[in-house]
Amino acid sequence: GQQVMQIPQYQHVQEGEDFTTYCNSSTTLSNIQWYKQRPGGHPVFLIQLVKSGEVKKQKRLTFQFGEAKKNSSLHITATQTTDVGTYFCAGPMTTDSWGKFQFGAGTQVVVTP
Amino acid sequence: KAGVTQTPRYLIKTRGQQVTLSCSPISGHRSVSWYQQTPGQGLQFLFEYFSETQRNKGNFPGRFSGRQFSNSRSEMNVSTLELGDSALYLCASSSSGGRTDTQYFGPGTRLTVL
Repeated sequence: GQQVMQIPQYQHVQEGEDFTTYCNSSTTLSNIQWYKQRPGGHPVFLIQLVKSGEVKKQKRLTFQFGEAKKNSSLHITATQTTDVGTYFCAGPMTTDSWGKFQFGAGTQVVVTP
Repeated sequence: KAGVTQTPRYLIKTRGQQVTLSCSPISGHRSVSWYQQTPGQGLQFLFEYFSETQRNKGNFPGRFSGRQFSNSRSEMNVSTLELGDSALYLCASSSSGGRTDTQYFGPGTRLTVL
């Protein structure tokens, strides 16, 4: 079955530094979504990528979808304490995957002031 | 617009009991998906409902079931609880459950099985 893997599992970052988290799928994805879950909270939608090679930015966050649509990345510049949380990527499991998304295990980000 | 609501927020049960969790989607959303989140397994898809019909199901035993009402509210039921059922149960609503629909998650129900 489809597997979505994220690396790294944990990311300790000094405030002000940059970091990147990666998402890799065993199959080609039609689209990919990214979510953020703060400690004690629930996943909150960040962004969706649909096109091959697509790049989208949200302030200090840059999201990229690979050319083969099998991988994606999230790059955060000048990390702030508000960036603490777990970042998940998710892809629809099949073409008829109504509401059925395969989530990666997430990258837990800890920021040191 | 009010967000997704889930009740109860916390639940403690003992092995063998059954539990019912409730999810009210965002007004106008007709698709409700349920996920189980545990530290070891991450977010695992349980099932999805649209217009009172289950359209998709994950790899969970038959002890896990759900339903959706005509107002799109959804419930999930777990019978004969096991210790391993302890988890955060999240529901997500979207307009139609399509592949490119944004999913809006509720705050979750934290179930502890003793």
